[in-house]
Amino acid sequence: ELHLVQSGGGLVKPGGSLRLSCAASGFTFSVSNMNWVRQAPGKGLEWVSSISRNSTYIFYADSVKGRFTISRDNAKNSLSLHMNNLRGEDTAVYYCAGGYDILDSWGQGTPVTVSS
Amino acid sequence: IVLTQTPLSLPVTPGEPASISCRSSQSLLDSDDGNTYLDWYLQKPGQSPHLLIHTLSSRASGVPDRFSGSGSGTDFTLNISRVEGEDFGVYYCMQRLEFPFTFGPGTKVDIK
Repeated sequence: ELHLVQSGGGLVKPGGSLRLSCAASGFTFSVSNMNWVRQAPGKGLEWVSSISRNSTYIFYADSVKGRFTISRDNAKNSLSLHMNNLRGEDTAVYYCAGGYDILDSWGQGTPVTVSS
Repeated sequence: IVLTQTPLSLPVTPGEPASISCRSSQSLLDSDDGNTYLDWYLQKPGQSPHLLIHTLSSRASGVPDRFSGSGSGTDFTLNISRVEGEDFGVYYCMQRLEFPFTFGPGTKVDIK
């Protein structure tokens, strides 16, 4: 399993931008498909985005398409989520998660609050 | 793909069995490889979710054998043979047959 440590997040005004990072340790990062999953306050889990091992395949939830960009750097064992044009409904705890073909490793979560 | 879970709340006495149902709006069977892409997660309060069962019935690493997953097509069940104190929290099913991945609404299992 991967060990995932997240950073970034915080308070941002509507329309603002933020970058989330996820640092992985463990030799399996380069062969892991990675994801971002979020959880709004008091709500359930919502898948946000996925990126394949070599970044060939990238997918987004309709709710963030055109505003969020997922990327990875296998040489640095890192995953990122660039979030632009943030809205109130993007307020949530964001988790990075991944594994070979399953989401068996999760980061600790990082809160994002979009408010004026 | 829409997932529904029943019940949404499940009070359980420690030592007793528990069962959670997850229903999908379409089959989660991949006809190409024969796998059913339905996973189960547990999220304890204040913690990240963690994987219990993947691909219908395979226990994740380190998951006790009191947890089991079953079902087929569109109807799935997570069974806990004897609930222990560490099992309380919110259980989610998730499909990864196709994008967008989707989660069920969650079932909160707490002490009766």
